[in-house]
Amino acid sequence: NAGVMQNPRHLVRRRGQEARLRCSPMKGHSHVYWYRQLPEEGLKFMVYLQKENIIDESGMPKERFSAEFPKEGPSILRIQQVVRGDSAAYFCASSGARSTGELFFGEGSRLTVL
Amino acid sequence: GNSVTQMEGPVTLSEEAFLTINCTYTATGYPSLFWYVQYPGEGLQLLLKATKADDKGSNKGFEATYRKETTSFHLEKGSVQVSDSAVYFCALIANDYKLSFGAGTTVTVRA
Repeated sequence: NAGVMQNPRHLVRRRGQEARLRCSPMKGHSHVYWYRQLPEEGLKFMVYLQKENIIDESGMPKERFSAEFPKEGPSILRIQQVVRGDSAAYFCASSGARSTGELFFGEGSRLTVL
Repeated sequence: GNSVTQMEGPVTLSEEAFLTINCTYTATGYPSLFWYVQYPGEGLQLLLKATKADDKGSNKGFEATYRKETTSFHLEKGSVQVSDSAVYFCALIANDYKLSFGAGTTVTVRA
């Protein structure tokens, strides 16, 4: 499967722990986007990255959240000191060039904070 | 800002029934409009799109027409199948790369 791969699919953390979500874009894609879906809401843009660069992180909470897309390896979305409100589905998407709306999405990572 | 409002679900239909999912939007400028679909156990995938007023997007028997006068992009299919059971998301993009999504509508088609 050469699609966007996310792992883990499900992650359970206790309050105060760290969560790391990984995303491998589609082969040949160098643009990665993270979206978050809270219960009963649509997906919300979090961050846009290209290899080794954060292009736009305007949708990321100012504290505890960070993202990277290193030269080698997957993109990582990191949430420190998780709280219950972080429970959500986190979707990664990729594109071959800056997106005009057509994105390829992974299956999502569902984070549950106890 | 940009926003998308779509019909709340869940929607349950019998096979061969007609499906409509309403979607309206608010946007600055001239957005492009999309329907994404998420089948069970899979990621979202693009179903169809329209980039300007009066355009009709179509794919897999689904259609949606970009109506600027009513700011709508309703999804329709004339005869659904069990395999159409999925979550459907209406979305738009306007002047940048950020998609704005509706909350999603869960559709279940029964044989």
